[in-house]
Amino acid sequence: ETGVTQSPTHLIKTRGQQVTLRCSSQSGHNTVSWYQQALGQGPQFIFQYYREEENGRGNFPPRFSGLQFPNYSSELNVNALELDDSALYLCASSLSVTDSYEQYFGPGTRLTVT
Amino acid sequence: AQSVSQHNHHVILSEAASLELGCNYSYGGTVNLFWYVQYPGQHLQLLLKYFSGDPLVKGIKGFEAEFIKSKFSFNLRKPSVQWSDTAEYFCAVNGETGANNLFFGTGTRLTVIP
Repeated sequence: ETGVTQSPTHLIKTRGQQVTLRCSSQSGHNTVSWYQQALGQGPQFIFQYYREEENGRGNFPPRFSGLQFPNYSSELNVNALELDDSALYLCASSLSVTDSYEQYFGPGTRLTVT
Repeated sequence: AQSVSQHNHHVILSEAASLELGCNYSYGGTVNLFWYVQYPGQHLQLLLKYFSGDPLVKGIKGFEAEFIKSKFSFNLRKPSVQWSDTAEYFCAVNGETGANNLFFGTGTRLTVIP
């Protein structure tokens, strides 16, 4: 069974640029959630995707957007990067949207905005 | 608004000592509670969860947690810690966004001294 994978591992961007982070869900999982974990904080929910549609969103501005593909993999896009966007971005998959409290996390992508 | 409070930011224990990490939450609906652990260099992993039923929940690696509804608490316990328990521990509650997301506390870093 393949776990949740994320790419890239690390990324350095400049303020104002755009970034795309990628996530492959665990085999058989159709629901993907994205979280932002700032240094010294717990993960904060960005949004969740199910059947290629956004299925709920946390308190993040519209410049944070996402996609889910037919194979359940997902992307997180952030436009107009700000210094405060520097964080670890976590992807989590779950077996189904009704089971989505049971989440399996990937290793994360460390984004640094300079 | 929902919140999760983990009052201990950093706990240092000697091996074989007993552990109790505090977690208090506020949430208006039916509550589901979780403890996640992040070992150094590893993914977030689910330690244990409470959905309903017996308020004393047992998880992996000898951890347990007790849901006390009247105190809005879900403290994590282990009778005898090991050096390998050194990690960051996060308490989480189900979110209010309409998606089945998790709302995390800020985490407690546990250091176990051999």
